[in-house]
Amino acid sequence: GESVGLHLPTLSVQEGDNSIINCAYSNSASDYFIWYKQESGKGPQFIIDIRSNMDKRQGQRVTVLLNKTVKHLSLQIAATQPGDSAVYFCAENNNAGNMLTFGGGTRLMVKP
Amino acid sequence: EPEVTQTPSHQVTQMGQEVILRCVPISNHLYFYWYRQILGQKVEFLVSFYNNEISEKSEIFDDQFSVERPDGSNFTLKIRSTKLEDSAMYFCASKGSYSGNTIYFGEGSWLTVV
Repeated sequence: GESVGLHLPTLSVQEGDNSIINCAYSNSASDYFIWYKQESGKGPQFIIDIRSNMDKRQGQRVTVLLNKTVKHLSLQIAATQPGDSAVYFCAENNNAGNMLTFGGGTRLMVKP
Repeated sequence: EPEVTQTPSHQVTQMGQEVILRCVPISNHLYFYWYRQILGQKVEFLVSFYNNEISEKSEIFDDQFSVERPDGSNFTLKIRSTKLEDSAMYFCASKGSYSGNTIYFGEGSWLTVV
């Protein structure tokens, strides 16, 4: 059946290209940010995190960039593969609380 | 690799019934969470639990909901008198310490209220 809910922005890339997924956050007090990958019917899977005292962090094929001035977070995936196809969520946390606030998500589709 | 495990993976219940969703957090983790995701929407925080008590809860987590850690390994979410709008994927998550460790999620329990 047809799903009802938020219409996710979609990024479609060719296999092997680099992908950039963006996220805007609203809470200036947030000091910890995480990117999660969610495949259909599964739970959010941790990809990479960054603290507010950093502006860049690299993992294996992934890089997270944080711009606190404009409250913007991005996830770069190098050499995107079909297995990267999923919905990607950014999440933020602040020391005043112990919970994550998730963004709306972006669907990444990788064309072979 | 340690993981958060949840049961059942899918439950169908009649409106008005009570359901219990079960979770086994990662061993030696201290913080436990329930989140939910209505189909096609973003993940929403319900409740966090530390030191055998609720540490934070959202507006969604009203008197219909309760959590319990009945023993050293399980963490449960009880939903009383279920409503149609409770249909969602419920994720359990856990974290090792207050700061410096990320929150790891289970695969979810899909609840369908009919």
